[in-house]
Amino acid sequence: RKEVEQDPGPFNVPEGATVAFNCTYSNSASQSFFWYRQDCRKEPKLLMSVYSSGNEDGRFTAQLNRASQYISLLIRDSKLSDSATYLCVVSRGGSQGNLIFGKGTKLSVKP
Amino acid sequence: DAGVIQSPRHEVTEMGQEVTLRCKPISGHDYLFWYRQTMMRGLELLIYFNNNVPIDDSGMPEDRFSAKMPNASFSTLKIQPSEPRDSAVYFCASSLNTDTQYFGPGTRLTVL
Repeated sequence: RKEVEQDPGPFNVPEGATVAFNCTYSNSASQSFFWYRQDCRKEPKLLMSVYSSGNEDGRFTAQLNRASQYISLLIRDSKLSDSATYLCVVSRGGSQGNLIFGKGTKLSVKP
Repeated sequence: DAGVIQSPRHEVTEMGQEVTLRCKPISGHDYLFWYRQTMMRGLELLIYFNNNVPIDDSGMPEDRFSAKMPNASFSTLKIQPSEPRDSAVYFCASSLNTDTQYFGPGTRLTVL
């Protein structure tokens, strides 16, 4: 099993749609979880951290299920500017600062 | 505030040549990371430093790769000799004692 696994997509959705991405991870010792966003030919940037109780930031909602080792990201009312690749990121258990990046899910929002 | 600075932004070289990539982390950050990104393998951690000391270099592909951090504001990643399969985007990232990493713009390396 890959350390962090994501559906590569692409997800092609119309503006205003709600879209959800899922991610699974293999290391049960992982303690920190994130979603990063990467625009084409740019560097990854932190979108949001993911907390055990779930958390929301505007149109973005992240959920964590430790028992199933599963992370999700929900984007509501998608905008053209949301088009990017979304990377699921998990800490390597016991190693502060050492993150494992998924290969990403590509989202394309169309007018 | 300046973010993570990397140079050069693009590098085209011939097989067998030495390549040196440079990184200036965000001032005050005590962790520095070097990553490589390819379509096939995604983003891979090569090595990371804490307070200028290498902590984990298990991701360095082979002896052709070496990294140094002589002081808190500068790091290099060197490939000698370079090979076509080293072609990738190399990112440097830094963080302040947390898991939130801030990436530089990357160096796009092409080895012919």
